[in-house]
This record gives sequence, C-alpha cells and structure tokens, in this order.
Amino acid sequence: DAGITQSPRHKVTETGTPVTLRCHQTENHRYMYWYRQDPGHGLRLIHYSYGVKDTDKGEVSDGYSVSRSKTEDFLLTLESATSSQTSVYFCAISGSGGTSSYNEQFFGPGTRLTVL
Amino acid sequence: RKEVEQDPGPFNVPEGATVAFNCTYSNSASQSFFWYRQDCRKEPKLLMSVYSSGNEDGRFTAQLNRASQYISLLIRDSKLSDSATYLCVVNEDSSYKLIFGSGTRLLVRP
Repeated sequence: DAGITQSPRHKVTETGTPVTLRCHQTENHRYMYWYRQDPGHGLRLIHYSYGVKDTDKGEVSDGYSVSRSKTEDFLLTLESATSSQTSVYFCAISGSGGTSSYNEQFFGPGTRLTVL
Repeated sequence: RKEVEQDPGPFNVPEGATVAFNCTYSNSASQSFFWYRQDCRKEPKLLMSVYSSGNEDGRFTAQLNRASQYISLLIRDSKLSDSATYLCVVNEDSSYKLIFGSGTRLLVRP
C-alpha cells in the first residue's frame, strides 16, 4: 500500500470553529488531492496540488483552503466549520511514474468529520 | 447528466456467479479509465486500469467502448470477499484530475 496517512482519523467539532486536516505521504508523489465523500454524491474533489506551493480549486472548494509547504504534506483547512461540511474526507496522491501511470490515484484511510 | 453514471445496485449474486457492471461517461476527451473498489467505511483502492484493447486480471475483465462511451467490469466466479462497492472512474479531459461515479454495490451471498 502507498504510504499515505491522514490525521486526525475522527473529529467532532462545533459550528464556527476552524479545523485542519493533515495528509502525509512518504511516496514522493507530485500530485495530492483532497476529496469529500457523501451518500448519493460519490467522491468530489475539493482542492488539489501539483507541486509545492502550487494548488488549485476543485469542484466543491467553497469554505475550504489548502496549503502545501513541502512535498509530503497537504493540509486542508475549514476556516469556520458548518454542518454541511460533515463528511468523510479522503486524501489521495498520484504521479510518481514508475510502474503506475501518472494519474492512478492512491488514497489515504480517510478522516470522519462531524460538525455539530 | 452526471459525468460518470453507474447503476447503484445492489447486485445480489450467489458465490460462483458471473456479474457485470457497466458505466457511462459524458466527456469524449477522457483518456484514462479505472475501476476502484471500496469496502464499507474504507478508502477506495485501485482495482484495475482499463485499456482500449480490454484487459484481464485473474477473475476480473475490464473493457472500454470509446464510441459508445462506456466501460464495463466483469467478475467471474464471484467470492464472498468480492462484496464491496465498485467505482467507475475517468479522467477529466486529458488532465490528471479524476471524476468518480457514485458506485455500484455488489453483495455476494453464500
């Protein structure tokens, strides 16, 4: 399995509080992604990164910001959490070349976030 | 119309059965196609890439029909451990961004 960890794995927070989720990889992959998964919607891309300090918005970026100060870490921040952001958040990586194609994505174990 | 559409199922089949899933995609510029498997409360895991000529990996066969813009996954000799949700995935245009279908749930019964 690809070396991807996410922290925390579970979090319960209150509306209006800031929350930061961390994704850490040991694979030296160039691309990193944050998704959310909700029933009936499948996986939706929030933000992605194509290199250190290079990020861009995905399909559902409102209310979220990201930062990538080094190759191995990609942070997702909810500046002021809302109940609609209750979800499962997955980080993914791709793009090391080698035996996998550059856009095969490998996922972390996920973070379950509940906003009360 | 959703960019990637799948029958949500569930498909309920006995052990040993052959089951097939189809998926349609809307963007004719998509270049890469995948099937992922997701177990309950777990992360998606890459099952196989789908190539234009079709490809097989053990009991799993994937096919691509570009003209009709659909992808299929065939599972032969189903095992109880095949019970999961299968996600059809295509890339957005020619980029590295992926679009995920909502998944097809498979239940294999003894």
